[in-house]
Amino acid sequence: GENVEQHPSTLSVQEGDSAVIKCTYSDSASNYFPWYKQELGKRPQLIIDIRSNVGEKKDQRIAVTLNKTAKHFSLHITETQPEDSAVYFCAASPQYNFNKFYFGSGTKLNVKP
Amino acid sequence: DVKVTQSSRYLVKRTGEKVFLECVQDMDHENMFWYRQDPGLGLRLIYFSYDVKMKEKGDIPEGYSVSREKKERFSLILESASTNQTSMYLCASRSGNTIYFGEGSWLTVV
Repeated sequence: GENVEQHPSTLSVQEGDSAVIKCTYSDSASNYFPWYKQELGKRPQLIIDIRSNVGEKKDQRIAVTLNKTAKHFSLHITETQPEDSAVYFCAASPQYNFNKFYFGSGTKLNVKP
Repeated sequence: DVKVTQSSRYLVKRTGEKVFLECVQDMDHENMFWYRQDPGLGLRLIYFSYDVKMKEKGDIPEGYSVSREKKERFSLILESASTNQTSMYLCASRSGNTIYFGEGSWLTVV
């Protein structure tokens, strides 16, 4: 089955700095890669996703890059703000079966004011 | 706005008790899921259901069962709770490639 590894497990940055979270996956059949944000005490929510036919996708201060050859993808947050503090999960899924999402172990991001 | 509601946010149960965790979604989604969230382990799939009365095991089904008698409701059952089932349980439903999570149920087994 798929194995998704996520690093780092914790990340502390100063407000205004950039943050990068990296994930690797093992199954070449995976071709959909979402990122979820979970604020303290709240539900995980989708913030951005990327499909394997695209190398990069941006949405305001967040971006995701995908290197399908190397089987890794990354979340980039620029100009971090305290409200970005949360746990972020990456995931991988084969497009033929969206009932099979494999999540990374999570990254706790702390943005210091 | 999709709503996935877990009826119990915090529960404390004794070892050996039968535990029911209930989940309801209001968007007529066919696919529903139960995940377990533990620090350092991320989200692990326990069971999912793709239709009423239909279910499939996920990655960690041992010690759990599920019930889906109505499309909007998906229940997770711990037949005989054990301390290693102390965890946060997340219910979810899916539309297309987006998963919508509930707010989670914190279960402590003592």
